[in-house]
Amino acid sequence: EPEVTQTPSHQVTQMGQEVILRCVPISNHLYFYWYRQILGQKVEFLVSFYNNEISEKSEIFDDQFSVERPDGSNFTLKIRSTKLEDSAMYFCASTAGGPKGAEAFFGQGTRLTVV
Amino acid sequence: AQSVAQPEDQVNVAEGNPLTVKCTYSVSGNPYLFWYVQYPNRGLQFLLKYITGDNLVKGSYGFEAEFNKSQTSFHLKKPSALVSDSALYFCAVRRSGNTPLVFGKGTRLSVIA
Repeated sequence: EPEVTQTPSHQVTQMGQEVILRCVPISNHLYFYWYRQILGQKVEFLVSFYNNEISEKSEIFDDQFSVERPDGSNFTLKIRSTKLEDSAMYFCASTAGGPKGAEAFFGQGTRLTVV
Repeated sequence: AQSVAQPEDQVNVAEGNPLTVKCTYSVSGNPYLFWYVQYPNRGLQFLLKYITGDNLVKGSYGFEAEFNKSQTSFHLKKPSALVSDSALYFCAVRRSGNTPLVFGKGTRLSVIA
């Protein structure tokens, strides 16, 4: 069964450093998303991406964040200067698209720890 | 703006008994409703969805959910719980086809042998 793949599974970084989280969505999917889950809290939407541009973003997704689909298969989330409060599990998701509301498939997540 | 409420942080049920995990939602227009399950240190796995049609939706692992428009609810059910069903369950809503999901805070299900 096709799946969304995320790397690394765990990243530890120093405050102020840049991190890039990588995702390979399911190959024929059209919509891509990043969500995060702070430990013990609910899953929060960060950004959605369609047709090579951001289609929607939350207030969490400030100027420190950026997304890119550099080569038609990878989908990356960059945090420019990490803060302690960026520590969370980051999930990538993708959907096939279409008017009927296809379900999102999620990766296993990257646990980001900022020290 | 859309929102989801999962009123129970924790649900405990004995193995073999029926289980219900509650969810209510708020969204303008027709809702697109989903249930996901999260096992420890794992991603979110899709269980089932309601888009349109029959109010009773069947999904993976014997789970089902009932859409109730008048009560704006989408409760997750299973006739006979298994210990392996113990996990964190999330209800989610989106306002249209491919817009982002809005999640509830999650309900931890514990099935006791």
